[in-house]
Amino acid sequence: TQLLEQSPQFLSIQEGENLTVYCNSSSVFSSLQWYRQEPGEGPVLLVTVVTGGEVKKLKRLTFQFGDARKDSSLHITAAQPGDTGLYLCAGFYGNNRLAFGKGNQVVVIP
Amino acid sequence: NAGVTQTPKFQVLKTGQSMTLQCAQDMNHEYMSWYRQDPGMGLRLIHYSVGAGITDQGEVPNGYNVSRSTTEDFPLRLLSAAPSQTSVYFCASSRGWEAFFGQGTRLTVV
Repeated sequence: TQLLEQSPQFLSIQEGENLTVYCNSSSVFSSLQWYRQEPGEGPVLLVTVVTGGEVKKLKRLTFQFGDARKDSSLHITAAQPGDTGLYLCAGFYGNNRLAFGKGNQVVVIP
Repeated sequence: NAGVTQTPKFQVLKTGQSMTLQCAQDMNHEYMSWYRQDPGMGLRLIHYSVGAGITDQGEVPNGYNVSRSTTEDFPLRLLSAAPSQTSVYFCASSRGWEAFFGQGTRLTVV
């Protein structure tokens, strides 16, 4: 059973376009994290959202936590080729277990 | 500051062989974990530890053993390698909600 469902799995856009990817669950999480992973590397934390309805911005990236704390979205404005990567959402469940979604593979074409 | 160090980076094993994947962190984190990453499957939790002397199973523990004798080290042992264990393995240590990952070990079992 996948606790965190990410969609779309793959997204290819032109440089300068905007995009939004989603992370959904039927479970309530005390927090959700977004990581970015580049080929041959481990995931790197981008942001943690904690409060329902919270919006956090990281340069051109905007992260939102759903009011019910079951879902989150990542919006990239004016995407750049450097934004290319695998975006992973994650959340703790049970006894300190950190679960990940399958990821959103984003490709930004110059 | 090295963070999380995994060795080796690459390994080829024959079916039935055993080996240990090493993981060390220098951040004094209590929580450490092992994941495997397979195409289309995301990161799946193998085993985790909330402190020295304490380990627990994750989502896919079969065929793997762990121990945690010190805060710094969390080795993952493959008892009898199988082709199904071909994967990229990531070790992580965590403080609060943030997980720090190593660069991964790419394991091929032939």
